[in-house]
Amino acid sequence: GAVVSQHPSRVICKSGTSVKIECRSLDFQATTMFWYRQFPKKSLMLMATSNEGSKATYEQGVEKDKFLINHASLTLSTLTVTSAHPEDSSFYICSASDPQRSPNEQFFGPGTRLTVL
Amino acid sequence: AQSVTQPDIHITVSEGASLELRCNYSYGATPYLFWYVQSPGQGLQLLLKYFSGDTLVQGIKGFEAEFKRSQSSFNLRKPSVHWSDAAEYFCLLDTDKLIFGTGTRLQVFP
Repeated sequence: GAVVSQHPSRVICKSGTSVKIECRSLDFQATTMFWYRQFPKKSLMLMATSNEGSKATYEQGVEKDKFLINHASLTLSTLTVTSAHPEDSSFYICSASDPQRSPNEQFFGPGTRLTVL
Repeated sequence: AQSVTQPDIHITVSEGASLELRCNYSYGATPYLFWYVQSPGQGLQLLLKYFSGDTLVQGIKGFEAEFKRSQSSFNLRKPSVHWSDAAEYFCLLDTDKLIFGTGTRLQVFP
């Protein structure tokens, strides 16, 4: 099946620093990737839709200046958490669909656990 | 408004018992519905999906789900649970955006 990777898998940073998370589709090209945040009560929330070559579409309530998304190529999208604070500590997951396989099926990355001290 | 509700936050069953995880959705048109499983330390894995056609869909690992339009439900079932099924289960509604339920944590006792 289609494989999506994320790097790093875990990151710990100090408050005020920025952290970049990479999401890669390893064996397919993804024109669209999605970024989610998994809250402590385990609900997954869609943060933004990342479109290759254009600006990301953010969900209501998500600060686009804080969560910078770049989708520079068909296989890579990055999420940068700027000036991270402890409340940003969470599990961040990306997903992508392979239009040549099943356009509505999402393939998920393994997630990145961010801890902000 | 579009939404997904998983009423059960936590379910505990004995190994070998049957299982039903509930999922209710709110959407005006025909939905695309999915069930995903998240095992500890692993990413999300697709169990099954419903687009159209047969309302009873079969998935991997012996799971099935039935789409009931009249009840706006897409409940996940398994006739006999195995200890390895212990995980978090998410129902997903795919419209013009992706909406997850809050998840149901399944514990399996031997």
